[in-house]
Amino acid sequence: DQQVKQNSPSLSVQEGRISILNCDYTNSMFDYFLWYKKYPAEGPTFLISISSIKDKNEDGRFTVFLNKSAKHLSLHIVPSQPGDSAVYFCAASAKPGSSNTGKLIFGQGTTLQVKP
Amino acid sequence: DVKVTQSSRYLVKRTGEKVFLECVQDMDHENMFWYRQDPGLGLRLIYFSYDVKMKEKGDIPEGYSVSREKKERFSLILESASTNQTSMYLCASSLLWDMWVYGYTFGSGTRLTVV
Repeated sequence: DQQVKQNSPSLSVQEGRISILNCDYTNSMFDYFLWYKKYPAEGPTFLISISSIKDKNEDGRFTVFLNKSAKHLSLHIVPSQPGDSAVYFCAASAKPGSSNTGKLIFGQGTTLQVKP
Repeated sequence: DVKVTQSSRYLVKRTGEKVFLECVQDMDHENMFWYRQDPGLGLRLIYFSYDVKMKEKGDIPEGYSVSREKKERFSLILESASTNQTSMYLCASSLLWDMWVYGYTFGSGTRLTVV
């Protein structure tokens, strides 16, 4: 049972354009959402997070949007750069006290390629 | 910066061998985790630990066990390696109450091949 889903395995974007990566979740107990970036032969690195009390969080070129009613979040990268080419994972966790507390549930990942 | 170190980058083991994957973190994090990454399946949680000598099963614990005798060290054990355990193994750590804001810190991973 995949509680966090990234339905697009890959995405190709031209340098300077916007990259939009999508993520859906099924568990209404999820309260925190995070995005990770992973280069080959390296561990994932934390990119940006958002809690369910917000609908948007921004950090430089990266913005995460959360639509709780649709159980959907997206990561926008503007402008996209060739160095952004990597696998992006979304992850979710539940608030303290629930069964998923303290552990992140990851999606399958989306491979982003930014072409020069 | 927090550092999570996995002892091996690449390992090749034979079917039936007992395999130990070691992970050490240097920032006094309470939580430690073992994930495996497979194409199309993302990161799946094998085991995690909130404290020394504590362990909890993740989503795919079958065929694995763990040991946490010291706070900084979390070991993953493959009791009898099988070819379907060929994968990238990722160790991670986090503070107990900051993880929702800052997430986990991951090691660089161990690429295990079982032949």
